[in-house]
Amino acid sequence: AQSVTQLDSQVPVFEEAPVELRCNYSSSVSVYLFWYVQYPNQGLQLLLKYLSGSTLVKGINGFEAEFNKSQTSFHLRKPSVHISDTAEYFCAVSDGSDYKLSFGAGTTVTVRA
Amino acid sequence: GAGVSQSPSNKVTEKGKDVELRCDPISGHTALYWYRQSLGQGLEFLIYFQGNSAPDKSGLPSDRFSAERTGGSVSTLTIQRTQQEDSAVYLCASSLVGVMGTEAFFGQGTRLTVV
Repeated sequence: AQSVTQLDSQVPVFEEAPVELRCNYSSSVSVYLFWYVQYPNQGLQLLLKYLSGSTLVKGINGFEAEFNKSQTSFHLRKPSVHISDTAEYFCAVSDGSDYKLSFGAGTTVTVRA
Repeated sequence: GAGVSQSPSNKVTEKGKDVELRCDPISGHTALYWYRQSLGQGLEFLIYFQGNSAPDKSGLPSDRFSAERTGGSVSTLTIQRTQQEDSAVYLCASSLVGVMGTEAFFGQGTRLTVV
């Protein structure tokens, strides 16, 4: 199974500033990559996913992520954040050997005015 | 059903009591996960069911924790002799096995408080 590392546990950011959340995974021949978001007092929902094709993936709410195979990374970015982006973000990976999803520990993003 | 359903949504129990948490996955989803989310912590994997294969129990924190999945559908997570450190939100998720790269869909969780 994969292991997933989210390098930042807490990311404070000012409104309208850019944000990047880092995610690295253990290497594999083929992987499927996901970012989930958990807004305060809500369940987890899918933000975006990479299966194949273009390495730049666009998701909901203006987020995008770039798959970098050589660096085994899948960093999440947003060029300009809003207060409403305050949430916890989870990176997840599955590989071609089984269907099991492995999650990172999560990154808490706090957007301040 | 339309989504993953978990019950109860909240459970308060006394230390030492047993509790059962229920998860009803999306119809047709043969993979089912249980995770635990403690305050200020990330997602802690507990157990994974995939079809008729033996479950991956590698995340269960102690032998007080067990889970079953009946008929390949509904799952029950049982915690025996609950301790205060068991207080957390327990999340269930399901996904469609057989489709590579399918995402997991999460329920709203059961918030367990052990007093």
